[in-house]
Parts: sequence; structure tokens; C-alpha cells
Amino acid sequence: AQSVAQPEDQVNVAEGNPLTVKCTYSVSGNPYLFWYVQYPNRGLQFLLKYITGDNLVKGSYGFEAEFNKSQTSFHLKKPSALVSDSALYFCAVRDYGGSQGNLIFGKGTKLSVKP
Amino acid sequence: EAQVTQNPRYLITVTGKKLTVTCSQNMNHEYMSWYRQDPGLGLRQIYYSMNVEVTDKGDVPEGYKVSRKEKRNFPLILESPSPNQTSLYFCASSSTPGTGINQPQHFGDGTRLSIL
Repeated sequence: AQSVAQPEDQVNVAEGNPLTVKCTYSVSGNPYLFWYVQYPNRGLQFLLKYITGDNLVKGSYGFEAEFNKSQTSFHLKKPSALVSDSALYFCAVRDYGGSQGNLIFGKGTKLSVKP
Repeated sequence: EAQVTQNPRYLITVTGKKLTVTCSQNMNHEYMSWYRQDPGLGLRQIYYSMNVEVTDKGDVPEGYKVSRKEKRNFPLILESPSPNQTSLYFCASSSTPGTGINQPQHFGDGTRLSIL
């Protein structure tokens, strides 16, 4: 069965420091992976995706993610965190067990960036 | 502006009183989906639709109905709401992955339902 895990409920980072939000996955086919961000009182916004090709994917707002097939991971990273990056982050993977278009979401990681 | 619009944004109602949450998208997307978000559980899919008149159950469909009579609209219906349906609901849409590659989903801003 397909699944995605975000092992940390919360990540705390000081502004200006690098940040990493972790995600691991389990899929039966090629891993199509996504990161979304949710700001308070808003819906999820797409950040970036990995389909194929370069293992380092660049996305919106200076975020990037590194795909690691051997570790089945897709960690979200940013070299220098901003207070405005504080939000809820979701990792998602294509659902091969369901219909095309369906995604399976992790439980989310709350990122808190302190000044 | 490309967007997914949900209404209402907030609703407090009572057990058993039928309600409908509307969802409309202006991107001509074939695929639409409803999720509920609960603390500690992330997003769980309720129903989805691959195109007009094509709907299917997600992971938590009990107590919900949907319809897809037009491409742009995908309402969520609670025929007899109960307190365990108190949650934050999101509608999302995306273009159909003709090549089998998922396209990013666009989300509405959410509907917070409280069933007393």
C-alpha cells in the first residue's frame, strides 16, 4: 500500500538558519512526489514536485527538495529560513492504488521560524 | 485569476439539518476532490471526480454525497450531519494526467463546519 510519512510533528528553526522538513514514502510504482504549504486560514498551496530527472528539485519561495531513491525520502529544504515561512507543510505521493489524480498526504509538519 | 472557490467559509449548524458546501473552479479542470482535515490526521479524501458525471469514494465517504453535473462545480452534501463531521473541509481540482503524471492540485481556502 502507498504511504507517506512525516516523522516530525513540528520543526523549530531560527531565522537565517537552514531548515529541513522530512518526508519518507512507500509506493508500488514510480514515485511522483509533492510538497504543499498551508498558511493559517488558507488552502494548501503547491510548492514543488518530483516526477523524474534531477534529484534536486527547486520550487516556490526559495524551497527545494532532494529526492533519494535508496532512502525513499523527499526532504524539503531551504538554505535560510524566514519568519514568514512559518506554516504547515504537507508531503504527498501519487496514489497508485486509486484513480489517476489522487494523492496521498502525510499528516503535516508545523514549521516555526523564530526571529 | 485561477481559483477554487468554496462557500460558505464557516458554518455552525445542528445535527440532522441537511447542508451543502459548494465548490467551483474556473480552470476547466477535469479532476476535483473533497478532503477533510483533522488535527493529527492530515488530509483524508472524501470523494473525488475524474470528470462530469464520474464520481468515486475516497477514504472516508460515509455520511457524505457529491454530484458532478457540470465541469466547474462539485458540491459536497451532508444529508444528516452529525457532530463527528465537525471538521475543516477542502475542495481541490487539477487537470487530468493524460500521461499518467499527476498535476498539482489547486485548493480552495476551506470551509470550517461545526455540527452541534
